[in-house]
Amino acid sequence: AQSVTQLDSQVPVFEEAPVELRCNYSSSVSVYLFWYVQYPNQGLQLLLKYLSGSTLVKGINGFEAEFNKSQTSFHLRKPSVHISDTAEYFCAVTVTGFQKLVFGTGTRLLVSP
Amino acid sequence: DTAVSQTPKYLVTQMGNDKSIKCEQNLGHDTMYWYKQDSKKFLKIMFSYNNKELIINETVPNRFSPKSPDKAHLNLHINSLELGDSAVYFCASSQGTGETQYFGPGTRLLVL
Repeated sequence: AQSVTQLDSQVPVFEEAPVELRCNYSSSVSVYLFWYVQYPNQGLQLLLKYLSGSTLVKGINGFEAEFNKSQTSFHLRKPSVHISDTAEYFCAVTVTGFQKLVFGTGTRLLVSP
Repeated sequence: DTAVSQTPKYLVTQMGNDKSIKCEQNLGHDTMYWYKQDSKKFLKIMFSYNNKELIINETVPNRFSPKSPDKAHLNLHINSLELGDSAVYFCASSQGTGETQYFGPGTRLLVL
C-alpha cells in the first residue's frame, strides 16, 4: 500500500522569504504525485503534478516541486511567498493504473508580514 | 460554469437522521469520488465510481450509500447519522487513471 508523510504540520514564514514544504512517499510500484492547496473554507485546488518526464515540475502561483526517486520525495518550493499563500498544502500519491489518491496529513503554511 | 458542484454547502442535523449530499460535474469525466476530511484536516477516500460502477469502497460503514444515476452525478446518502460523521465531504472527478482529480467546494456536515 502507498503512504505519504508530510513531516511538518505547520510552517511559519515571513513574506517574500523562500519556503520548502516536505513530502515523502512510500510505494513499491511507480507512482504519480500531486500537490493540492486548500484555502480556508474552500475545496482543494491542484498546484502541480508529476506523472513522468522531467523531475522538476512547475505549477501555478510560482510553486515548483522536484521528484526524487532515490529519496522517495516530492518537496514543494517557492522562492518568495506572499501573504495570500497562507493555506493548507496536501501532498498526494496514486499508483499508476489505479485511481485512489492517498493524501498526506497536510502542512499549514503561515505567511506573516 | 462550476466544474464540480456540491449541494448543500452546509448541513446541520440531529443524530439518527438520514441525509443526502449531491455532486455534479460538467467536465465530461468518467470517474467520480467521495472523500472525507476530518477535524484534523486528514483526507481519506471513501468511494470511487467509474461509468456509474463502484470501483473503490474503502471500508466505509454501510450506513453510507453512494448512488450514481449517470456519469455526471454521484450522490452520497447517509443513514442513521452519528456524531463521528461530522466532517467535510468532498466530491471529485477525473478522466482516466492517474489524471488530475478536480474537487468540489465541500459539504460541511455537523451532526448534533
